[in-house]
Amino acid sequence: NAGVTQTPKFRILKIGQSMTLQCTQDMNHNYMYWYRQDPGMGLKLIYYSVGAGITDKGEVPNGYNVSRSTTEDFPLRLELAAPSQTSVYFCASTPNRDNSPLHFGNGTRLTVT
Amino acid sequence: GQNIDQPTEMTATEGAIVQINCTYQTSGFNGLFWYQQHAGEAPTFLSYNVLDGLEEKGRFSSFLSRSKGYSYLLLKELQMKDSASYLCAPLGGGGNKLTFGTGTQLKVEL
Repeated sequence: NAGVTQTPKFRILKIGQSMTLQCTQDMNHNYMYWYRQDPGMGLKLIYYSVGAGITDKGEVPNGYNVSRSTTEDFPLRLELAAPSQTSVYFCASTPNRDNSPLHFGNGTRLTVT
Repeated sequence: GQNIDQPTEMTATEGAIVQINCTYQTSGFNGLFWYQQHAGEAPTFLSYNVLDGLEEKGRFSSFLSRSKGYSYLLLKELQMKDSASYLCAPLGGGGNKLTFGTGTQLKVEL
């Protein structure tokens, strides 16, 4: 099993550009999450999904959109990129919401200039 | 919301023992996780506590006191590879969400 796979690993965007961060998992996990981590800070939840067709906002959803058309994939869309979105983005999954630990992807390092 | 407090940095000597404390305030508490994160990498799971007491797992142990809103991670026989950030993450709040603290950066020196 590959686990949680994120692409791309690095990206530089100009202000106002758009992009989609890809995340896929092959563990048949129902729950998937997007976090961002700014330097020296903890992870902030952007969006999460409890199953295909269901998504919900986390702590910092503004400027982002998600979709969950399949169990495996949970892409994160940035529209009109801003410098404040410069961060490291982690996708994660769990089989359920309770005491299962998060399985993280390797992250996407995004710079908006 | 959830308030999480843990020290920003700690330094310890190889072979020694270090305790990383975490205090939290959360409604609907449903357990607490500790994750380890090496620089430039994703967090990895270390431990989960839902009942009061000490959980031991090799060189790492984690303690929880629900009444005090307090947890600690104990690392024994420190090795250089233990230099990393340690993230405290209580589970709870509306929707049973996991919230991460800012992390404690541990530096292990010779």
